[in-house]
Amino acid sequence: AQKVTQAQTEISVVEKEDVTLDCVYETRDTTYYLFWYKQPPSGELVFLIRRNSFDEQNEISGRYSWNFQKSTSSFNFTITASQVVDSAVYFCALDNHTGANSKLTFGKGITLSVRP
Amino acid sequence: DGGITQSPKYLFRKEGQNVTLSCEQNLNHDAMYWYRQDPGQGLRLIYYSQIVNDFQKGDIAEGYSVSREKKESFPLTVTSAQKNPTAFYLCASSPPPDGPQHFGDGTRLSIL
Repeated sequence: AQKVTQAQTEISVVEKEDVTLDCVYETRDTTYYLFWYKQPPSGELVFLIRRNSFDEQNEISGRYSWNFQKSTSSFNFTITASQVVDSAVYFCALDNHTGANSKLTFGKGITLSVRP
Repeated sequence: DGGITQSPKYLFRKEGQNVTLSCEQNLNHDAMYWYRQDPGQGLRLIYYSQIVNDFQKGDIAEGYSVSREKKESFPLTVTSAQKNPTAFYLCASSPPPDGPQHFGDGTRLSIL
């Protein structure tokens, strides 16, 4: 069975602070994808990143960076110099993509509040 | 602009009533999905469809039904058999062969 654990439920920071959102996953598959999505107050889920299980390179996109470590089954997300617009719920998700069927397993989400 | 459109944004259901949530996409994606989100919870998969005229149950399909008569459309019916339908419903689609899922703005369903 697949499982995604986001142990932090709520995080509050002051603008310009760095913040790391943790994600730990469980799967028996050797091939899988990991995702991060952002859900702002308006409700839609915004795709942020997808990482293939064979690619452990860290990635940086502007103020966002992701640290994928298979040895600890973690896929953590860091926001550098946080801004008020970063306030949202962030979901980590796992897709084992068995055959043609893509099925996402989501964590429960982390509510990030960035105060001015 | 290409995207996924869900309607209505808010929906109210009376006891014993079936209601249908609309999901339309103009992204030419083959696969479409319905998720349910409850407060403080992640998303749970209700149904998904990889191609027209074919769909599979997800983890919480009881009390729900779907159809996929057109590539662009994947409506979800919440039947009276669903005893706790109050939730936020999100539709998604993904491109072949294994593109990431993209989501609509959601429909919030409440019971009167």
